[in-house]
Amino acid sequence: GAGVSQSPSNKVTEKGKDVELRCDPISGHTALYWYRQSLGQGLEFLIYFQGNSAPDKSGLPSDRFSAERTGGSVSTLTIQRTQQEDSAVYLCASSLEAGRERGYTFGSGTRLTVV
Amino acid sequence: DAKTTQPPSMDCAEGRAANLPCNHSTISGNEYVYWYRQIHSQGPQYIIHGLKNNETNEMASLIITEDRKSSTLILPHATLRDTAVYYCIVRVPLGAGNMLTFGGGTRLMVKP
Repeated sequence: GAGVSQSPSNKVTEKGKDVELRCDPISGHTALYWYRQSLGQGLEFLIYFQGNSAPDKSGLPSDRFSAERTGGSVSTLTIQRTQQEDSAVYLCASSLEAGRERGYTFGSGTRLTVV
Repeated sequence: DAKTTQPPSMDCAEGRAANLPCNHSTISGNEYVYWYRQIHSQGPQYIIHGLKNNETNEMASLIITEDRKSSTLILPHATLRDTAVYYCIVRVPLGAGNMLTFGGGTRLMVKP
């Protein structure tokens, strides 16, 4: 596609339920990033995939968070046993390769609300 | 990554130049200055980046001081659609993770 696509755009879930957020990066982009943005805050790095290398999970806030990237393309961010503090906009970005200065393209995000 | 300091908010009249400052006094020699912006309900959008020379593209100009401890993003003729949060980031383009570290940014309000 022309841009980074994220789905769903909005998700309301009950506390304790699991959610899956999807990211379709730009075709051919080897690097993929997940960030989250709480209301009125800056972006918080979560996880980074580069090609077939092991992902950098250093930003994941707890073991309830996990992500995978299948076939080097689509990525899914899973949050288990959601808590109200998980409410945020989850943003995905991709780039041609790690470190390309201009390569980051962000999706419009998934707004997650945990009630 | 070096820390940046930006004013939390600025106003600009439509059609005038918007000058957004950023301090990065601890920048290292191999760190670039990047600017992104985030319009309400959208993901961040790349604007421009530079190392030490001033840069210009179709969106903006970037002026970096000679000592590289500060920079200014210039939107030459601001429009209402330029209302957004503008983030200044300094980082090496290559490195572990290569993630962007976003601070609070400057909320630019362009007024008619």
